[in-house]
Amino acid sequence: QQQVKQSPQSLIVQKGGISIINCAYENTAFDYFPWYQQFPGKGPALLIAIRPDVSEKKEGRFTISFNKSAKQFSLHIMDSQPGDSATYFCAASMGLSSYKLIFGSGTRLLVRP
Amino acid sequence: GAVVSQHPSRVICKSGTSVKIECRSLDFQATTMFWYRQFPKQSLMLMATSNEGSKATYEQGVEKDKFLINHASLTLSTLTVTSAHPEDSSFYICSAPRTRNTEAFFGQGTRLTVV
Repeated sequence: QQQVKQSPQSLIVQKGGISIINCAYENTAFDYFPWYQQFPGKGPALLIAIRPDVSEKKEGRFTISFNKSAKQFSLHIMDSQPGDSATYFCAASMGLSSYKLIFGSGTRLLVRP
Repeated sequence: GAVVSQHPSRVICKSGTSVKIECRSLDFQATTMFWYRQFPKQSLMLMATSNEGSKATYEQGVEKDKFLINHASLTLSTLTVTSAHPEDSSFYICSAPRTRNTEAFFGQGTRLTVV
């Protein structure tokens, strides 16, 4: 019940295309859903995050779509660029004072020029 | 700029020795810090929660005598890998939240190689 399932494991997209990464969870107590971007040899960096009271959040080219009833959320990267090539992790945590993030397995994104 | 800094970024040590990794919050005080381990091409796994002034809380399966955590000040937590073995080779990452209700910032990670 603590798991966060992420797919696909890897993704190849042409420059300018849309990258879509999906995550699903079981624990309905989760109330914070961030997405992280990680480059090789670096720590993860927060991209965008959402709480269950909204169904969508957009920041620049990055959008999170959240479906509470289906217990799923996804990351959309519009106009994907080669510089977006990285590993993306979804995560979830519960409680405003809790930062025990449960991470998905990661998606390696390659954006071809 | 970075708000959580880890040191060193890379370390190679001999089997049986101990290695200390530092995690500092640069412009805020962190009563809680988190330590993660990441094996190549895998996800981040939470090892322990470091609490300033009290004992760390370890996740199930993590040996507290092997991975010693000290959070002696509001800006510094250390992880010591004792009697390191090649299987401890991994990428260790710390994180710290700026306040109770904000997201945690991650350090740049430490690549440990035990030979």
